[in-house]
Amino acid sequence: EADIYQTPRYLVIGTGKKITLECSQTMGHDKMYWYQQDPGMELHLIHYSYGVNSTEKGDLSSESTVSRIRTEHFPLTLESARPSHTSQYLCATVNLGGGELFFGEGSRLTVL
Amino acid sequence: KNQVEQSPQSLIILEGKNCTLQCNYTVSPFSNLRWYKQDTGRGPVSLTIMTFSENTKSNGRYTATLDADTKQSSLHITASQLSDSASYICVVSDRGSTLGRLYFGRGTQLTVWP
Repeated sequence: EADIYQTPRYLVIGTGKKITLECSQTMGHDKMYWYQQDPGMELHLIHYSYGVNSTEKGDLSSESTVSRIRTEHFPLTLESARPSHTSQYLCATVNLGGGELFFGEGSRLTVL
Repeated sequence: KNQVEQSPQSLIILEGKNCTLQCNYTVSPFSNLRWYKQDTGRGPVSLTIMTFSENTKSNGRYTATLDADTKQSSLHITASQLSDSASYICVVSDRGSTLGRLYFGRGTQLTVWP
């Protein structure tokens, strides 16, 4: 059982609001990822981190930002949400040595 | 261009029947291939992970095969159950960085009917 948690699971907000999606893991893993997933489509990497104070943008252009102040936490923030941000956001983690990639349960965001 | 293609896009089978899902990839250099199961509204859960030297790997009623020469993998589900209804995602990793870049397929949506 993977120890990776995402909150909130579901969120409905209005356009222009600022939101933060939380991702926490208790496995001490170094690498963490944020993916965006739309129905019937592949996962798209939007941010990743190799460790504390290390963050990089992924392949999919995103208006979100991330931070990695502590190993356990990798929050994703949208300063001004738009309807185009409506999607499922998945957090994942893995050890630097490679191996199994663990996913959180996801955060389903709807922007009205 | 590195890609992962899965087929069929969707599949409906009756409970108790077997099925096989396909994954073709063009990722190079190849590091490993993973199959994930994703229930609706949940995060993906790992089923198997195979490296270049592995031809087959089983996890209960799930058996994955890998042909690194033809760059094809399959996931065989035996004696399907209603709980097998989910999206099955193929993920291929290259040998780039420490972990490798991950390439995701769009998944096969499996529905098991009673």
